[in-house]
Amino acid sequence: GAGVSQSPSNKVTEKGKDVELRCDPISGHTALYWYRQSLGQGLEFLIYFQGNSAPDKSGLPSDRFSAERTGGSVSTLTIQRTQQEDSAVYLCATVRVPGELFFGEGSRLTVL
Amino acid sequence: AQSVTQPDIHITVSEGASLELRCNYSYGATPYLFWYVQSPGQGLQLLLKYFSGDTLVQGIKGFEAEFKRSQSSFNLRKPSVHWSDAAEYFCAVFRRGSQGNLIFGKGTKLSVKP
Repeated sequence: GAGVSQSPSNKVTEKGKDVELRCDPISGHTALYWYRQSLGQGLEFLIYFQGNSAPDKSGLPSDRFSAERTGGSVSTLTIQRTQQEDSAVYLCATVRVPGELFFGEGSRLTVL
Repeated sequence: AQSVTQPDIHITVSEGASLELRCNYSYGATPYLFWYVQSPGQGLQLLLKYFSGDTLVQGIKGFEAEFKRSQSSFNLRKPSVHWSDAAEYFCAVFRRGSQGNLIFGKGTKLSVKP
């Protein structure tokens, strides 16, 4: 597609359930970021994938969070045993040149 | 640790007035610098970037920013604000040679009065 596509756009779940968020990157963009945006907190870096290199997972807030990128294309962010503080907008972005990100519109997660 | 500070959480300006949004960074060397804009209900979009060379960079929508090494600043400016500029603006720093951590400030929300 022409842009970064994220799904679902909205997800409401119950505390304790697992959720998966998907990101379809721009074709040919080899680098991919996940960020979390909470109200008043700006953008929090979660994880970065670059080609076949080991991902930079330094931003994942706990071991309940994981992400994978299959075949250098689609990425999924998984949150296990969701907590209310996980409620946020999760943003995916792919990279054309270092630092120049193309963002998806995000997946809004609400944990009840 | 590297950081990005946007000291103004919320700014209100009148339509047609000039605008300056502040950004300061903490980093040992000259980083790559960016401004992104997030309009209501939309994703983030790159406004402009600084990699090297001329310290005054032009971006889309009539915005410009000036890199000042002595002040570790990269302030965003626009001579005349339009109502459609109401949005949230994020300054970001990318560490040269790093594996990929692009650090964002907490953002400045811009409101425009008619």
